[in-house]
Amino acid sequence: GAVVSQHPSRVICKSGTSVKIECRSLDFQATTMFWYRQFPKKSLMLMATSNEGSKATYEQGVEKDKFLINHASLTLSTLTVTSAHPEDSSFYICSARDTGGLVGNEQFFGPGTRLTVL
Amino acid sequence: KNQVEQSPQSLIILEGKNCTLQCNYTVSPFSNLRWYKQDTGRGPVSLTIMTFSENTKSNGRYTATLDADTKQSSLHITASQLSDSASYICVVIFFYNTDKLIFGTGTRLQVFP
Repeated sequence: GAVVSQHPSRVICKSGTSVKIECRSLDFQATTMFWYRQFPKKSLMLMATSNEGSKATYEQGVEKDKFLINHASLTLSTLTVTSAHPEDSSFYICSARDTGGLVGNEQFFGPGTRLTVL
Repeated sequence: KNQVEQSPQSLIILEGKNCTLQCNYTVSPFSNLRWYKQDTGRGPVSLTIMTFSENTKSNGRYTATLDADTKQSSLHITASQLSDSASYICVVIFFYNTDKLIFGTGTRLQVFP
């Protein structure tokens, strides 16, 4: 099946620093990737849709200058949390869309990145 | 409003027992309905995918059903194992925008020996 990886799996940083999270589709090309945020015991919330070679589309209420997204290749999207603060601590999950799947446009999820801002 | 609600919120069962999780949705029209398993600290993993024309889909000990008329789906787990302890999420995909996943509230299942 389609595999999506994320790196790092866990990161702890000081308040005010920036953190970059990578999302890779390992065995398929993904023109579109998605970034989600998940709070404890809550469901996933879509933050933005990342399209290869173009600007990301952010959901309402998500600060684009705070969460920088770059989708430079068909297998890699990055999310940079700039000037991180404790309230940015969360579980960040990416997904990649495989248009060639049995059910079109199926999204495959990465294992997630746990961000803790001190 | 497009919503997906799941019940129960949490469930505790003994190893070897069966259980059924429920999903009610108001998403209309929808493209397909998926059940995911999410282990703590991990991303969701797909268990079943059903289009609106399918009534049932199995994946090993997991069997999902779909009633598009009543807008209900269920996930039945047979002969539960300790490794089944996880959150189970029902996701409905909107017909007019298949990138729009509408997530259910999830059911937290704990299987004890």
